Amino acid sequence: SYELTQPPSVSVSPGQTASITCSGDKLRGVFVSWYQQKPGLSPLLVLFQDRKRPSGIPERFSGSSSGDTATLTISGTQAMDEADYYCQAWDSSTAPVFGGGTKLTVL
Amino acid sequence: EVQLVQSKAEVKKPGDSLRISCKASGFSFNTYWIGWVRQMPGKGLEWMGIIYPGDSETRYSPSFQGQVAISADKSVTTAYLQWSTLKASDTAMYFCATSLGDYAGHSFHIWGRGTVLIVSS
Repeated sequence: SYELTQPPSVSVSPGQTASITCSGDKLRGVFVSWYQQKPGLSPLLVLFQDRKRPSGIPERFSGSSSGDTATLTISGTQAMDEADYYCQAWDSSTAPVFGGGTKLTVL
Repeated sequence: EVQLVQSKAEVKKPGDSLRISCKASGFSFNTYWIGWVRQMPGKGLEWMGIIYPGDSETRYSPSFQGQVAISADKSVTTAYLQWSTLKASDTAMYFCATSLGDYAGHSFHIWGRGTVLIVSS
């Protein structure tokens, strides 16, 4: 098993750019996915394979990965983006792993 | 329509046994991983384990190995999460999720709505 580390919280002003990092020494060569979860709802996949957006996810969501760190970036952050965000990695021989989650506050 | 329908909320006592379910429809159940995620009150998401219904290969996260059992019944396209002896600390929301098509092998884009489990004396 391995661990993924995220900052517990990130704050951003409306219209600005928010960045959430996810680090882990086993991220090299493993795709990272990002999920958004709002209170009372199931998680929603917002990025997969480090940087790809599922259908219906706004273009303001983007991702990157380098070495042992992946980053979710939200450009032009809107109030509706306020949520908890989780990174996830899954190598070929184990169960998937989530990061601890980051609470994004838009204020 | 691709969907996962989870069983209803449960209220149990410590020491009880329980099996909750996740009914899949709209896709080939046998050929995609399906898994279970725990979310304790006010806490983050935790992968418990995943199962490949085609051959029943199961992978557990270390924290959950020996604590729960994950299974799947291909005849009714349903995945299960089972406890033999519940504890108060099992109180949580449990989600099932699956990984299809372009997402297979790395992401989970189909989620159930969750099953609330309360374990209290």
